[in-house]
Amino acid sequence: TQLLEQSPQFLSIQEGENLTVYCNSSSVFSSLQWYRQEPGEGPVLLVTVVTGGEVKKLKRLTFQFGDARKDSSLHITAAQPGDTGLYLCAGNNNDMRFGAGTRLTVKP
Amino acid sequence: DAGVIQSPRHEVTEMGQEVTLRCKPISGHNSLFWYRQTMMRGLELLIYFNNNVPIDDSGMPEDRFSAKMPNASFSTLKIQPSEPRDSAVYFCASSLSASGANVLTFGAGSRLTVL
Repeated sequence: TQLLEQSPQFLSIQEGENLTVYCNSSSVFSSLQWYRQEPGEGPVLLVTVVTGGEVKKLKRLTFQFGDARKDSSLHITAAQPGDTGLYLCAGNNNDMRFGAGTRLTVKP
Repeated sequence: DAGVIQSPRHEVTEMGQEVTLRCKPISGHNSLFWYRQTMMRGLELLIYFNNNVPIDDSGMPEDRFSAKMPNASFSTLKIQPSEPRDSAVYFCASSLSASGANVLTFGAGSRLTVL
């Protein structure tokens, strides 16, 4: 059983579409992070959210941390083929445990 | 800084052989994490160190796995004896742990295949 549940597991969309992926847990975290991983590489940090209710924007990506600090969402506007990859959320309580990820494919 | 350096990048070995994976964290980072990634189980935390001391090894699958961090610039993950189900990509990550956030920098991974 994953500590962090990510949904959907797979997502395939056309270029230009919007999408939202989710990260849910029954645990409270001091902070939560989103990473993106490309084939043959390690995950790379996108953002850290710390405060309940926090919203962070990174160009076309919008991250939200739930009020109770148990869940988070990542919204991508006007997806591009370069957004293709595995999106992982990680909850921080000194250790760093990851969800199983959402594998996103954006078709041109 | 060259980032987190892992070696070897690829290893193919036969069941029963000893495997040693190596990691050099980013200089100045005080936390080091070992993960294993498979399609079936995702990215699993195996063990992490703080200031070279193992803090939580509850993710280590069984006694065949061991990890050491003899100094701040080097860590090893050893599997002895190896089994086919150990085949996976093993990642090392380091961070400068601070209140509220642990920003991980990952190495490129070591892909292990046990035949």
